[in-house]
Amino acid sequence: KAGVTQTPRYLIKTRGQQVTLSCSPISGHRSVSWYQQTPGQGLQFLFEYFSETQRNKGNFPGRFSGRQFSNSRSEMNVSTLELGDSALYLCASSPESTGLYEQYFGPGTRLTVT
Amino acid sequence: DAKTTQPTSMDCAEGRAANLPCNHSTISGNEYVYWYRQIHSQGPQYIIHGLKNNETNEMASLIITEDRKSSTLILPHATLRDTAVYYCIVRVGSNFGNEKLTFGTGTRLTIIP
Repeated sequence: KAGVTQTPRYLIKTRGQQVTLSCSPISGHRSVSWYQQTPGQGLQFLFEYFSETQRNKGNFPGRFSGRQFSNSRSEMNVSTLELGDSALYLCASSPESTGLYEQYFGPGTRLTVT
Repeated sequence: DAKTTQPTSMDCAEGRAANLPCNHSTISGNEYVYWYRQIHSQGPQYIIHGLKNNETNEMASLIITEDRKSSTLILPHATLRDTAVYYCIVRVGSNFGNEKLTFGTGTRLTIIP
């Protein structure tokens, strides 16, 4: 099975712009989560989507938003970029097996805001 | 989710067993122990998880103490490719909802040739 894919892998944006990142989960996985990783804050949960609905949300401002499509692919959008948004953005998908969930992460999109 | 405590860093000789400890003294009865690792510049990788019994898969073994207040991840024959940051996470397992993982600072494991 192909793993989680994320596009683009690298991105440079200017402060004030907006950006959209894409994630394709493992085939058959319907849950997609997004995380932000920075050297100072570590890995922080952004939000999780399941069947096109946001099911769980972390403590990030409203500039961070996401959506999921009927094929489970997900996009994350950040509006009005700030320098502090420079980070590795990771997407993870989960199987819908009974009981427990393991998350499988993609390689991430490294966003640099200048 | 219960808080975990891990050593900041560890070294292990190549070919030896790497034993990574994790304390989770406030763990609840329905919380599972998960281990992930993150190799530099890659996304985290799921390794193993368990509730109260010891678990083994092709990557590692997980030993959970009888009182469940601590656990040890064992990489039986460490290779240079096992150099990574290892995260111990404790959370409730469920069929749906609450899919976030709370990562701590982890243990930076360095395999020495």
